[in-house]
Amino acid sequence: GIQVEQSPPDLILQEGANSTLRCNFSDSVNNLQWFHQNPWGQLINLFYIPSGTKQNGRLSATTVATERYSLLYISSSQTTDSGVYFCAVRTSYDKVIFGPGTSLSVIP
Amino acid sequence: NAGVTQTPKFQVLKTGQSMTLQCAQDMNHNSMYWYRQDPGMGLRLIYYSASEGTTDKGEVPNGYNVSRLNKREFSLRLESAAPSQTSVYFCASSEEGSYGYTFGSGTRLTVV
Repeated sequence: GIQVEQSPPDLILQEGANSTLRCNFSDSVNNLQWFHQNPWGQLINLFYIPSGTKQNGRLSATTVATERYSLLYISSSQTTDSGVYFCAVRTSYDKVIFGPGTSLSVIP
Repeated sequence: NAGVTQTPKFQVLKTGQSMTLQCAQDMNHNSMYWYRQDPGMGLRLIYYSASEGTTDKGEVPNGYNVSRLNKREFSLRLESAAPSQTSVYFCASSEEGSYGYTFGSGTRLTVV
């Protein structure tokens, strides 16, 4: 089946710093999403981005489907950005497979 | 509020006991999913249902059964719980191909 990898696995940032999270996938996908799981366990949609670039405030994402990767950019990080960031890909059979996540800690 | 509702939020079972995790969504979504989340392993798909009346296995279906009784509800059953099934279980729903994949708040299950 399709494999989804994320890097880095862990990241510690000083508040105000910028970061880039990466998601690689092994096969063609119908779409890709980024999620944030906050420290209380709640999972929240960030982006639905099968291709191209989208921005939402301090966050933006780019997916290059032909090269099978996606990037999530976090600018001017805040402590509320802490948590785990997952990318998830949807296959042709409507399965949605998650990557292992990047654990982000933003310290004041 | 519209969304995905899971019950119960917490449960402790003894090995060999059975239970059903309930999930309901009020967004008229066709697709529903059950995931388990274990430390360091992200979310793994147990079963999914692309539409009412259909279910399919995901990555880790062994030891589980599901029922999609109607468009709103998708339940997950553990017939004979094992300690390896200790995990946090998430239900989710989406409209196929759409933005917006909504998760429930999770069920923390411990099997002793």
